[in-house]
Amino acid sequence: KQEVTQIPAALSVPEGENLVLNCSFTDSAIYNLQWFRQDPGKGLTSLLLIQSSQREQTSGRLNASLDKSSGRSTLYIAASQPGDSATYLCAVNSQGGSTLTFGKGTMLLVSP
Amino acid sequence: DAGVTQSPTHLIKTRGQQVTLRCSPKSGHDTVSWYQQALGQGPQFIFQYYEEEERQRGNFPDRFSGHQFPNYSSELNVNALLLGDSALYLCASSFYPSGYTGELFFGEGSRLTVL
Repeated sequence: KQEVTQIPAALSVPEGENLVLNCSFTDSAIYNLQWFRQDPGKGLTSLLLIQSSQREQTSGRLNASLDKSSGRSTLYIAASQPGDSATYLCAVNSQGGSTLTFGKGTMLLVSP
Repeated sequence: DAGVTQSPTHLIKTRGQQVTLRCSPKSGHDTVSWYQQALGQGPQFIFQYYEEEERQRGNFPDRFSGHQFPNYSSELNVNALLLGDSALYLCASSFYPSGYTGELFFGEGSRLTVL
């Protein structure tokens, strides 16, 4: 059974800092991994999708890496801003279709 | 381009009642899946619909059922509501031919409170 763990559970940083969020998964046989952002009480916004054959994906100030063999992914946020404050969720697709297994998320607070 | 839309946004029910939640997928998408997110937890997969049939199902009891219509929209039905069914219910859509490698897009969710 696939299990996804995200560390840290919460993170507070001052504006402008670069930061790294970690995600680990127990079964390396995955199709892809997706990072999401969730604002309080809201739905999920897709940030980056990394296919199993890829090593990293970039979108603006965000960079996600994938090391499938070690069961790890990182989300790097450059020059953090208060608007980045949200919960970041990592999800892996290891059964195909629409079956994602999620971590519990990292709650990020960026202070002005 | 409309994204995934869900209704209602909030609703309150009492134990034992039944509820129906609705979802319209993103334009061009033909696959809908439903997730349950309890407070402080990551979403959990309930089931996926494609071509009006349930294709995959997570570890949820038969009280949870669904339907997909010819226009690809979907409903989630929960019978005999329990207090533990209180959660944010999220709908996600994707395009099935890329289903195994495709990106999922989520709606804003329906917040269900069971009293």
